[in-house]
Amino acid sequence: EAQVTQNPRYLITVTGKKLTVTCSQNMNHEYMSWYRQDPGLGLRQIYYSMNVEVTDKGDVPEGYKVSRKEKRNFPLILESPSPNQTSLYFCASRIYNRQYYGYTFGSGTRLTVV
Amino acid sequence: AQKITQTQPGMFVQEKEAVTLDCTYDTSDPSYGLFWYKQPSSGEMIFLIYQGSYDQQNATEGRYSLNFQKARKSANLVISASQLGDSAMYFCAMREGYLNTGNQFYFGTGTSLTVIP
Repeated sequence: EAQVTQNPRYLITVTGKKLTVTCSQNMNHEYMSWYRQDPGLGLRQIYYSMNVEVTDKGDVPEGYKVSRKEKRNFPLILESPSPNQTSLYFCASRIYNRQYYGYTFGSGTRLTVV
Repeated sequence: AQKITQTQPGMFVQEKEAVTLDCTYDTSDPSYGLFWYKQPSSGEMIFLIYQGSYDQQNATEGRYSLNFQKARKSANLVISASQLGDSAMYFCAMREGYLNTGNQFYFGTGTSLTVIP
């Protein structure tokens, strides 16, 4: 089944404790992206990657890191989480050069930082 | 300026009736794509329908249709014969650019639809 897999689905952590949210897709998509969703703000892009070893900042990159060492994986790293990073996070991927195709989203990660 | 505007934070519709969710967009790029996604209470994002800027006809997918008015820059989602399972948050999104030039997706703030039995 074609899908984007995010883990974990739910995470409660304490301020300052480094964490990684994993994302993996099995569709050979070039383009991958991380979004956070907050009430009243919709989805805002954190980072994106156009291919292996090619990453760039989205609209709200502060406090986050990413890497793209393999095409299928695009982990999101919070080096020192803070309460304002409590949010619903989505990883998404898509084919890069086809206008028709939108994103395939992961199931989301609900992160709470206390 | 907002790239995608959804002015209806919440909507109610009677079961079996049709409902229109509004979306307006802002772009100067002649080539773009418009998308609607559904987010049920479980949280996942489900792709519903796509409309390309050069498409001559309005997109349809089952009970979903997209009322595309290019001159007005609107891309309203019409759900016919609403079902209880349609209760969810709905997001309008736009991708600017064509082929290798379009990287950015813009999302609206969403409309929460509640279907009343």
